[in-house]
Amino acid sequence: GAVVSQHPSRVICKSGTSVKIECRSLDFQATTMFWYRQFPKQSLMLMATSNEGSKATYEQGVEKDKFLINHASLTLSTLTVTSAHPEDSSFYICSAPDQMNTEAFFGQGTRLTVV
Amino acid sequence: AQKVTQAQTEISVVEKEDVTLDCVYETRDTTYYLFWYKQPPSGELVFLIRRNSFDEQNEISGRYSWNFQKSTSSFNFTITASQVVDSAVYFCALSDDPTGANNLFFGTGTRLTVIP
Repeated sequence: GAVVSQHPSRVICKSGTSVKIECRSLDFQATTMFWYRQFPKQSLMLMATSNEGSKATYEQGVEKDKFLINHASLTLSTLTVTSAHPEDSSFYICSAPDQMNTEAFFGQGTRLTVV
Repeated sequence: AQKVTQAQTEISVVEKEDVTLDCVYETRDTTYYLFWYKQPPSGELVFLIRRNSFDEQNEISGRYSWNFQKSTSSFNFTITASQVVDSAVYFCALSDDPTGANNLFFGTGTRLTVIP
């Protein structure tokens, strides 16, 4: 089946630095990818929709200047957390629908800890 | 507005017991899709099932079964003869998109622990 790979799986960074998370569709092309955030013991919340070749669409309350999304190719979307702060510590997970649009596949997630 | 409620935050069962995870949803859409995902400790989300609002037939897949009751807006998930490998967080989700990729609303999840 289709696979979505996310990297890194874990990252610890210092407050004020930026972190880039990659989401790749390994065996299919994805014109759209989705980024979710999950705080400890909470649900997943959609942050933004990443669109290949155009700007990302952000959900209400998500700072687009803080969470930069780039969908550079049909197989890669990146989420950059800029000037990270401890409150950005969370589990970030991406998803992509397969080309037949029959199912959404999720990456393994990235656990970000900002110290 | 769409909403998914999983009232059970945590459940513990002894291996081989049956367990039912509850899911109640709210939506104004007439066409919608319901999903269950499993999130093991490793973090990735594993797709379990998709059900559209027009199909109220219950479904069984091995030890898993799902009971969709449109009248009560519920989509409950039962694991029979639970195993330790079933330990995970289970999310119920609602979408107006069949893939669940768009506008996917998740419940808060139920953490299932199966005790050997």
